[in-house]
Amino acid sequence: DAGVIQSPRHEVTEMGQEVTLRCKPISGHDYLFWYRQTMMRGLELLIYFNNNVPIDDSGMPEDRFSAKMPNASFSTLKIQPSEPRDSAVYFCASSSGTAFGYTFGSGTRLTVV
Amino acid sequence: AQSVTQPDIHITVSEGASLELRCNYSYGATPYLFWYVQSPGQGLQLLLKYFSGDTLVQGIKGFEAEFKRSQSSFNLRKPSVHWSDAAEYFCAVGASRGGGNKLTFGTGTQLKVEL
Repeated sequence: DAGVIQSPRHEVTEMGQEVTLRCKPISGHDYLFWYRQTMMRGLELLIYFNNNVPIDDSGMPEDRFSAKMPNASFSTLKIQPSEPRDSAVYFCASSSGTAFGYTFGSGTRLTVV
Repeated sequence: AQSVTQPDIHITVSEGASLELRCNYSYGATPYLFWYVQSPGQGLQLLLKYFSGDTLVQGIKGFEAEFKRSQSSFNLRKPSVHWSDAAEYFCAVGASRGGGNKLTFGTGTQLKVEL
């Protein structure tokens, strides 16, 4: 298995633009998580899905952020409009259950200028 | 709800020296416990995990961790550190009952290895 695949690896965009981050989880994993990592806040859970259904989105910072999982092999995290304070590394992770832990993708480094 | 504390933000050790990274958790029952490592520019990689049985667990790259219920701890150890072990290490705890498969991560410990 190729692991959790995220794209793009790096994204530089101007303030006000829409940004879409993509994630392909490991086949057979029924949980998918989106995290944001910054120096100031560390790892923050934004949202997670179970069987493609959003379970907890309490970590989504504001309405500018949205996430979808249209099928078991694909998820997106969208920021519209983007702001400089959204600059961070965004990780996607998938899991088949708590006892097994998570498998993380390599992350998307987002820079909003 | 579960929580986890990594008391050391930064640790520096000499290559070849032993290492112990501390992790304390809070949870009402036996938790699921994990250690992850993050190298610069990379995602988090699972080092080892505990969810039942032998309280001393072995992981990849020569790491081990011991679950001590009486101390609510899950410290990570390595007998001899290599320069390539320099990275950030995260402890995480998951609920064994309910919790919705959410892991709670510590704030991380940055390990520096002096040659």
